[in-house]
Amino acid sequence: GAVVSQHPSWVICKSGTSVKIECRSLDFQATTMFWYRQFPKQSLMLMATSNEGSKATYEQGVEKDKFLINHASLTLSTLTVTSAHPEDSSFYICSARDTSGRNQETQYFGPGTRLLVL
Amino acid sequence: GENVEQHPSTLSVQEGDSAVIKCTYSDSASNYFPWYKQELGKRPQLIIDIRSNVGEKKDQRIAVTLNKTAKHFSLHITETQPEDSAVYFCCPRPTGRRALTFGSGTRLQVQP
Repeated sequence: GAVVSQHPSWVICKSGTSVKIECRSLDFQATTMFWYRQFPKQSLMLMATSNEGSKATYEQGVEKDKFLINHASLTLSTLTVTSAHPEDSSFYICSARDTSGRNQETQYFGPGTRLLVL
Repeated sequence: GENVEQHPSTLSVQEGDSAVIKCTYSDSASNYFPWYKQELGKRPQLIIDIRSNVGEKKDQRIAVTLNKTAKHFSLHITETQPEDSAVYFCCPRPTGRRALTFGSGTRLQVQP
């Protein structure tokens, strides 16, 4: 199946700093990628849909100025958590569909990035 | 938006027994019904999916059944093994929606 990678796998930062997370589709092109957040023992919550070459679509309640998304190419989307605070500590997971492949409905997930803000 | 409910929230079975997890959704436009398995600290992995024109699908020990009229679908795992222990999520997707909406999850524990 299609492969999605993320970098870094974990990051620890001080409160007030910004953190960038990269999501790549390794063997397919993705015009759309999805960013989820998962707190401990909870479900995955969709934060935003990243669109190649245009603005991201944010879910209700997600601050677009705090979570900056850039989808500059067909294989790379980035999520920047600006001015991170301890409450932003979470597991961030990206996802994409290979809409030109055999399993066009399947959503593939990256390995996630664990963020800890001190 | 789609309201998704999973039951039960936790399930403990003995190795070799069967496990059934039910997912109820609200959007009648849903036409794609996957189940994902997530082990601790790992990414969700697709284990089985079904489309709205099919009532049942089976893949070895795993099966999914769909009742579109009642708006629910269920995951069935037979002959459970300790490595089946994980959190399982249902993620029904309505037509026209690109992203999956995750249910609340079911923590399955298979006791050896």
